Amino acid sequence: GENVEQHPSTLSVQEGDSAVIKCTYSDSASNYFPWYKQELGKRPQLIIDIRSNVGEKKDQRIAVTLNKTAKHFSLHITETQPEDSAVYFCAASPPDKLIFGTGTRLQVFP
Amino acid sequence: GAGVSQTPSNKVTEKGKYVELRCDPISGHTALYWYRQSLGQGPEFLIYFQGTGAADDSGLPNDRFFAVRPEGSVSTLKIQRTERGDSAVYLCASSLNNAVIGEQYFGPGTRLTVT
Repeated sequence: GENVEQHPSTLSVQEGDSAVIKCTYSDSASNYFPWYKQELGKRPQLIIDIRSNVGEKKDQRIAVTLNKTAKHFSLHITETQPEDSAVYFCAASPPDKLIFGTGTRLQVFP
Repeated sequence: GAGVSQTPSNKVTEKGKYVELRCDPISGHTALYWYRQSLGQGPEFLIYFQGTGAADDSGLPNDRFFAVRPEGSVSTLKIQRTERGDSAVYLCASSLNNAVIGEQYFGPGTRLTVT
């Protein structure tokens, strides 16, 4: 079955710097790769997603890249703000479910 | 419009008891998913419904866990003979249609504590 690895587990950056989180997946049948942000005690919220027919997608300060050959995808957050502090999860979707990574706790210091 | 709702928000039960957790998906969403999230971990897939039928229950940990969705809307996750290791947040998610995989909208979760 699908296995998703996510790194780093924690990431601390200064406000205004960039943050990069990386994930790898194992199942070549996976074709959808969402990123979720989860604040403490809250539900996961989708922030950006990418499908396997696209290599890169950007939405304001957030971008995701996908390398199908290497089976890895990354989240890039530019100009980080304190409100970006949260746990971020990547996921890969073989048909009919999401397999999540173990999460990255991002702390943005003012 | 209304998002995914789950009841109860918190459930404390004694080891060995039976519990039911309810999920109300977004109206019109045919796909419904249950996940379990332990502290410090990502959500772990349990079961997926397309309409009334369980299309994939490969994530259910053992036969103490069962889920139903009799009318293709509300779903109930049932756990028999609860164990302390079942303590976690149980998340429900729905999506419009799984023919083309798309965004899953999560509910707030039910925090289950087995004492």
